[in-house]
Amino acid sequence: QTVVTQEPSLTVSPGGTVTLTCASSTGAVTSGYYPNWFQQKPGQAPRALIFSASNKHSWTPARFSGSLVGGKAALTLSGVQPEDEAEYYCLLYYGGVGVFGTGTKVTVL
Amino acid sequence: EVQLVESGGGLVQPGGSLRLSCAASGFTFSDHYMDWVRQAPGKGLEWVGRSKNKANGYIAEYAASVKGRFTISRDESNKSLYLQMNSLKTEDTAVYYCAREGNGVDNWGQGTLVTVSS
Repeated sequence: QTVVTQEPSLTVSPGGTVTLTCASSTGAVTSGYYPNWFQQKPGQAPRALIFSASNKHSWTPARFSGSLVGGKAALTLSGVQPEDEAEYYCLLYYGGVGVFGTGTKVTVL
Repeated sequence: EVQLVESGGGLVQPGGSLRLSCAASGFTFSDHYMDWVRQAPGKGLEWVGRSKNKANGYIAEYAASVKGRFTISRDESNKSLYLQMNSLKTEDTAVYYCAREGNGVDNWGQGTLVTVSS
């Protein structure tokens, strides 16, 4: 069974920078896994942030960026705002079957 | 504006069946892959499956946890996506989301709650 692992929780100060990662149990994450990143706040549906590792949607704030680093997909939040406090999930595709990451709770403190 | 509205959730006994619907509007439904994603109470997101687009024969793909029990279909005339769930288990209790694949999984519905309990 494929497992996609994220940091359980991260804390960042307002205005700071934090990087979340997304690792695959099968090995290095590449663009062929079409990494997506989502933000979810309590009681709300997920909201798409990043697709194909590094591409932003039209609604994605500029402070969010995606990349592939060290065999993992990464989401970097720069200049963090209080409203960025949320759960973040990555999604990878394995031959057409999707697997979500375990999720990272980001606290802005 | 893309809109996705799920319906059909409710309470069902273990071993029972339920069919969820997702009404789509604001885009050319047949051009897009469509996904089902679920979230158990207090847990993370789980990819359930997807229906490919018309150009790819509407082929459905499933997560191992639901394969053989769940079936994804779509009605192009009604611009609707369906999730037929059979042999339901207590662990299928979750909010079920419908989502569109455009640039990645880019648009989500608000979800419908399915509770499997005796």
